[in-house]
Formats: sequence, structure tokens, C-alpha cells
Amino acid sequence: QVQLQESGPGLVKASQTLSLTCTVSGASISSTIYFWNWIRQPAGKGLEWIGRFSSSGITDFNPSLKSRVTISVDTPKNQFSLKLTSVTAADTAVYYCARDTYGDYGALGFWGQGLVVDVSS
Amino acid sequence: SYELTQPLSISVALGQTARLTCGGNNIGNKNVHWYQKKPGQAPVMVIYRDRNRPSGIPERFSGSNSGNTATLIISRAQAGDEAEYYCQVWDSSALYVFGAGTTVTVL
Repeated sequence: QVQLQESGPGLVKASQTLSLTCTVSGASISSTIYFWNWIRQPAGKGLEWIGRFSSSGITDFNPSLKSRVTISVDTPKNQFSLKLTSVTAADTAVYYCARDTYGDYGALGFWGQGLVVDVSS
Repeated sequence: SYELTQPLSISVALGQTARLTCGGNNIGNKNVHWYQKKPGQAPVMVIYRDRNRPSGIPERFSGSNSGNTATLIISRAQAGDEAEYYCQVWDSSALYVFGAGTTVTVL
């Protein structure tokens, strides 16, 4: 069974960099047929896709966040990470990592439990 | 960029049928996925590719997609179905697009 777990600081100061890690079990990050994603939900708002990567070499980002986002991978640890620079209060949200299901046109079948991140001023 | 439109909220009587809509330009030409989101929990995919149910999702959940509207149908609504429901598509320009979500209340 595929499982994902987010980790990282729950509090980040404004203007600094938010760094989160997703640890995967039950599947290999190095598989080239899956996309590994970051998604967030600000309090009282809807889901917002942040970005994705695949070990096939493809990396894509939400155009509205692209200038501030980096996604990296640690294959030996079976982890992938999110960095979001120059954060503001608007970046306060629950952050999720998720994986798609192969061949299902972007269906996100596996999600982590989510991590609350608060940006303080 | 591609946009999805969902009603903010709907109510359904216990045991009755709820129909949640997701509007988008020619959405019938796309694959629509639906997620159930309860407070404090991760989203759960309840329908993928318009009408397919993942393993473990009750048959009470079904979906359709045609023209400019996709629909999630919850039959024989239960109290446990109260949640936010999000539709989502993959678009070649905007990639993963979510609707704003519909809050379902079971009366």
C-alpha cells in the first residue's frame, strides 16, 4: 500500500523559505511512470496544486507559484521535497504531498495526511 | 487558463440523492476526478476518469460528464457523506486544476 507522509516545520517567518519533505513507502520515487505532487489548502479555501515531478525528468509548476517553487528528490531516502521562497501570510495552509495513478489523466489516488504550516509576520 | 465552477453548497435529505455539478468549457472532452475532503483529513478520491470508483468507494457514488458539465451523484445520502467535494481535471496548459469545492450537508 502506497503511503506518503509530510514533515517539516509548522511555523515559518515571513520572507523566509518554507521547506517540506514527503517520505514515501510502498512505492519507489525512482519509478518513471508516476508523478509526485505538492498541493495545499489555505484555511477556508479550496485545494491549490503547487507542482509535480517525475523521475522521468519532467517537472511542472503552478504558473502562479513557479518563480518561488523548487521540488527536489532524494532517491536513496525515497523522499521528495518542496521549497517555497519569500513566503507571506498567504502561504499559510495545509500542505499535502500526493501521487497520481498511472494512466488516469492526473487522478491523485494517494495523499499524505497533510501538514499545517503557519507563516508568521 | 482553464477554470472549473462548482456551487458553494448543497443540502440533501438523509437517504435522498445529491447531484454535485462541475462546470467547465467543453469539460466533456476532459477526464474529471472527484475528491471528498473532510475537516482534518486528507482528500479521498471517490471518482476518477468521470465515472470510475476506486476500490473501497461505495457504489452510492457515481459520476457522469458531458458537454460543459460533469456531475457527481451521491445516492442514498448518509450523514457520513457530509464533506467538501472537489472536482479536478488535468489541462495541458494549467496542468492540475481544482474547482473551488462544494460543501454537502445531509439534513
